[in-house]
Amino acid sequence: DTAVSQTPKYLVTQMGNDKSIKCEQNLGHDTMYWYKQDSKKFLKIMFSYNNKELIINETVPNRFSPKSPDKAHLNLHINSLELGDSAVYFCASSQATSPYNEQFFGPGTRLTVL
Amino acid sequence: GDSVTQMEGPVTLSEEAFLTINCTYTATGYPSLFWYVQYPGEGLQLLLKATKADDKGSNKGFEATYRKETTSFHLEKGSVQVSDSAVYFCALNSGAGSYQLTFGKGTKLSVIP
Repeated sequence: DTAVSQTPKYLVTQMGNDKSIKCEQNLGHDTMYWYKQDSKKFLKIMFSYNNKELIINETVPNRFSPKSPDKAHLNLHINSLELGDSAVYFCASSQATSPYNEQFFGPGTRLTVL
Repeated sequence: GDSVTQMEGPVTLSEEAFLTINCTYTATGYPSLFWYVQYPGEGLQLLLKATKADDKGSNKGFEATYRKETTSFHLEKGSVQVSDSAVYFCALNSGAGSYQLTFGKGTKLSVIP
């Protein structure tokens, strides 16, 4: 049973388009995250969200917006895509009651903007 | 702010060689420390962790010890295998925000037969 799943796995699109990436976790966790991995494999937090609070990394452009229909889902919507948005996006979840707790990652979505 | 510095790669080793990947950190308070591994084409998975000073995390023959005095969490394995080829990430969680992870830049390991 997949713990954290993402769709699609690959996404190729044109500049200026709007796209969404979906994420679901079946672990019963209370917090979900989006990370961006650039071409040099560097991982950086974009958002963290639980049912009470959204925390946004201040460096993330406001073209990116997380949407959470319920506790098990955190989708990433991107408006007006740019070439620099090409990256691999990872969703993760954890029970964020302690910094000791492991985060579980999805398989990633490779976004290519042409 | 929090930061993690790990040795630059790529690292290429022969099978059965000894592996060390250095990791040092800067954080407020007493963070939890993690090593994650990313196999080709996959997401990240936890390799090991340590939550307080002098703790040793271990898994699959890999070990790392939380050294508060040197703010380090170096990853070691006595005898690597071809199947260990992957990218290894050192990370910390200081409890900031919603407990997001701060990652190092990753070290790519290639093990050749």
